Amino acid sequence: SAVISQKPSRDICQRGTSLTIQCQVDSQVTMMFWYRQQPGQSLTLIATANQGSEATYESGFVIDKFPISRPNLTFSTLTVSNMSPEDSSIYLCSVDRGGTGELFFGEGSRLTVL
Amino acid sequence: GENVEQHPSTLSVQEGDSAVIKCTYSDSASNYFPWYKQELGKGPQLIIDIRSNVGEKKDQRIAVTLNKTAKHFSLHITETQPEDSAVYFCAPKQGNNAGNMLTFGGGTRLMVKP
Repeated sequence: SAVISQKPSRDICQRGTSLTIQCQVDSQVTMMFWYRQQPGQSLTLIATANQGSEATYESGFVIDKFPISRPNLTFSTLTVSNMSPEDSSIYLCSVDRGGTGELFFGEGSRLTVL
Repeated sequence: GENVEQHPSTLSVQEGDSAVIKCTYSDSASNYFPWYKQELGKGPQLIIDIRSNVGEKKDQRIAVTLNKTAKHFSLHITETQPEDSAVYFCAPKQGNNAGNMLTFGGGTRLMVKP
């Protein structure tokens, strides 16, 4: 298994501000994934964060809006920039430890944008 | 990309009854078929998975069955208990590589009434 810690667990933000979410894993992993889960919806992959290279973004997500850092093999950050109420979601960090296909998730960061 | 559909979107059963959730996918190259359980306020957690060379897998009260020809797989929960109440997601994918993405279904909210 993998232990994944996310901060903050929840926050209430003002429109137009930015917030950075941190994800810490208890062991080194090659890839870390950031998902968005809008209220009552499924999970949508935002991007894949690789150490030492730029993140790979999925269709509909851009670096200017969701910049990602991956300074080492156990840590990543996702920033939600210039937030609007439509960004109110749960943001989840996950890893595929061991390459088995099983994803381990953090508990998520619940953002509410007013 | 993969199109994934889950049915039903909500399911209410009496404690002790069985529950079945079906997942239909479009990509015939998919060969890994997991089910995730998401409890309130937590990230999804893998509960059972199956690979394409197997038709059925069972783990205590839960089982997964796969029909590759028809491109669907199902989650079966027997003797349901209140703690089974959660949202369940299927997430078929190609291969074991961490770089191959899971595509999550829309989710099924299961409510087990005591």
